[in-house]
Amino acid sequence: GNSVTQMEGPVTLSEEAFLTINCTYTATGYPSLFWYVQYPGEGLQLLLKATKADDKGSNKGFEATYRKETTSFHLEKGSVQVSDSAVYFCALPLEGRRALTFGSGTRLQVQP
Amino acid sequence: KAGVTQTPRYLIKTRGQQVTLSCSPISGHRSVSWYQQTPGQGLQFLFEYFSETQRNKGNFPGRFSGRQFSNSRSEMNVSTLELGDSALYLCASSSGDRTHTDTQYFGPGTRLTVL
Repeated sequence: GNSVTQMEGPVTLSEEAFLTINCTYTATGYPSLFWYVQYPGEGLQLLLKATKADDKGSNKGFEATYRKETTSFHLEKGSVQVSDSAVYFCALPLEGRRALTFGSGTRLQVQP
Repeated sequence: KAGVTQTPRYLIKTRGQQVTLSCSPISGHRSVSWYQQTPGQGLQFLFEYFSETQRNKGNFPGRFSGRQFSNSRSEMNVSTLELGDSALYLCASSSGDRTHTDTQYFGPGTRLTVL
């Protein structure tokens, strides 16, 4: 079935550093891919999504490109801020369902 | 539009009790899914409801159940609580129009602590 593997954290960066969080997936067909972010004490917020191969999702300076060839959907940001400190989850639908399967989450800590 | 709302936000129960959690989806959304989040197991799918019918179920015991009402609001129930049921329970709603491109929007969660 569909699954996603995400790089382990925590990732600690200085403010204005470049961020990459790796995500690879296994899927039947070409489902949509998602990145969600969870701030302390909160639920998940949709960060960005891509619905087909070569699509680039973007939001708040974050980007991720749906790579069919490498089955990847890596999250990037050119210059992180302290306010980006959170846990990031890569996700895709379970096969034939709306419900999602998630990666294990990557905690990002940005230091001033 | 108002987002997904969940009540209560925090709950403390003792082993053996039962609990009911509530979720109100975004207006116009017909699909509601429930997830359990724990430090050890991460985010796990519990079940999905669409048009008052359970469409899919994750790998959880029968103590976990749910329902959806005609206004798309949903409740989940956990009976005979165990310590391991302590978790953040997240509800997500989506339009229900398509399966592979439908986007789920999450509520703030209900933090359940079982003592």
